[in-house]
Amino acid sequence: ETGVTQTPRHLVMGMTNKKSLKCEQHLGHNAMYWYKQSAKKPLELMFVYNFKEQTENNSVPSRFSPECPNSSHLFLHLHTLQPEDSALYLCASSQDSRTWENQPQHFGDGTRLSIL
Amino acid sequence: KQEVTQIPAALSVPEGENLVLNCSFTDSAIYNLQWFRQDPGKGLTSLLLIQSSQREQTSGRLNASLDKSSGRSTLYIAASQPGDSATYLCAVRMFSGGYNKLIFGAGTRLAVHP
Repeated sequence: ETGVTQTPRHLVMGMTNKKSLKCEQHLGHNAMYWYKQSAKKPLELMFVYNFKEQTENNSVPSRFSPECPNSSHLFLHLHTLQPEDSALYLCASSQDSRTWENQPQHFGDGTRLSIL
Repeated sequence: KQEVTQIPAALSVPEGENLVLNCSFTDSAIYNLQWFRQDPGKGLTSLLLIQSSQREQTSGRLNASLDKSSGRSTLYIAASQPGDSATYLCAVRMFSGGYNKLIFGAGTRLAVHP
């Protein structure tokens, strides 16, 4: 149990579907992150939320829409995705994304997304 | 722009060998460096975190070193076991745009065979 739970674990969807990925953390953290992990490529940071406020959008296409209703929950809404969006999507949390102090990010097990 | 490179991309060794995984980064203005382990279909588990002022950290059979000025880190695994088979990721933490970020390498895929 990592303290960060992602659902669903696997998702297969067509390019015209709309679906959402969910992340929940039970660690009392205030920052949450979405990462994309494609085969044989480094993890790419997508979005950062700190105290429910989006602080970073790393040039992510608008077909990915994040939502952070509170510090414990993070969603990634998907619509009109492309085959190259197939990847492992990882959620992480940390105490505060602005602090200069060294603190680890805790990761969930990810959602494996396949676009048909 | 910070770039993190991990060499080798894949490694296969017999059980019992000592091995070294390499990580290099282009911008030395980092706050810390972290080594993670990722098992297939799983998220990341933090193994070791080295502060920018430190030279090394040890945990059990793992030893990580950091040479910030030359932009290099190594992860040393002693007496490797089949259970060590996983992908090992290196990440540097930097402060950019008002927030601190983790920038990852592509990983080294390790297979330890009996």
